[in-house]
Amino acid sequence: NAGVTQTPKFQVLKTGQSMTLQCAQDMNHNSMYWYRQDPGMGLRLIYYSASEGTTDKGEVPNGYNVSRLNKREFSLRLESAAPSQTSVYFCASSEEVFLTGEPQHFGDGTRLSIL
Amino acid sequence: QKEVEQNSGPLSVPEGAIASLNCTYSDRGSQSFFWYRQYSGKSPELIMFIYSNGDKEDGRFTAQLNKASQYVSLLIRDSQPSDSATYLCAVRGDNQGGKLIFGQGTELSVKP
Repeated sequence: NAGVTQTPKFQVLKTGQSMTLQCAQDMNHNSMYWYRQDPGMGLRLIYYSASEGTTDKGEVPNGYNVSRLNKREFSLRLESAAPSQTSVYFCASSEEVFLTGEPQHFGDGTRLSIL
Repeated sequence: QKEVEQNSGPLSVPEGAIASLNCTYSDRGSQSFFWYRQYSGKSPELIMFIYSNGDKEDGRFTAQLNKASQYVSLLIRDSQPSDSATYLCAVRGDNQGGKLIFGQGTELSVKP
């Protein structure tokens, strides 16, 4: 019962490098999300996708791009990594983004360090 | 003012005691409220959700919601060392376009 799968689990980058974080869900959910979590900051929404083919900015979108490849997959790309993007990144999914009460299911996270 | 505020703690309680975790929110249009538990180095997992004013009980956990005062709380009865974790409050309301807004979390430590 995989749920939400994120790859990679750990990554170290140099400033200026690019990379893509992958996320896939097998729960047939319509909505998917990318968060970052920093110490003392809680979870902050980077981008979300309410449904296949749509993406929208969250609270902290600068420096990131996303692609909703299909219903299952939602990727997050850092074009030119900066040390301020060192964080733990979580992908989540839910049935519908606007449905009151719908909980989100989280992946295990990607721990990203940028030197 | 943050949209969702929690005391970051750490909150320390002895084993067997009641742990009380609080969360306040600023958007009066908020409709649904969630408590997630996050063990160190792990992902958040949903433990409770509540939509209506009053109390909702699930085993040792009770969520309490007071929309007039804009706060939601989580009570953990008979606290166990395994309850030691960070508890995240999350709120969904119309002003956020239906998106979840998370508090910064409260760290709970249950001492044997």
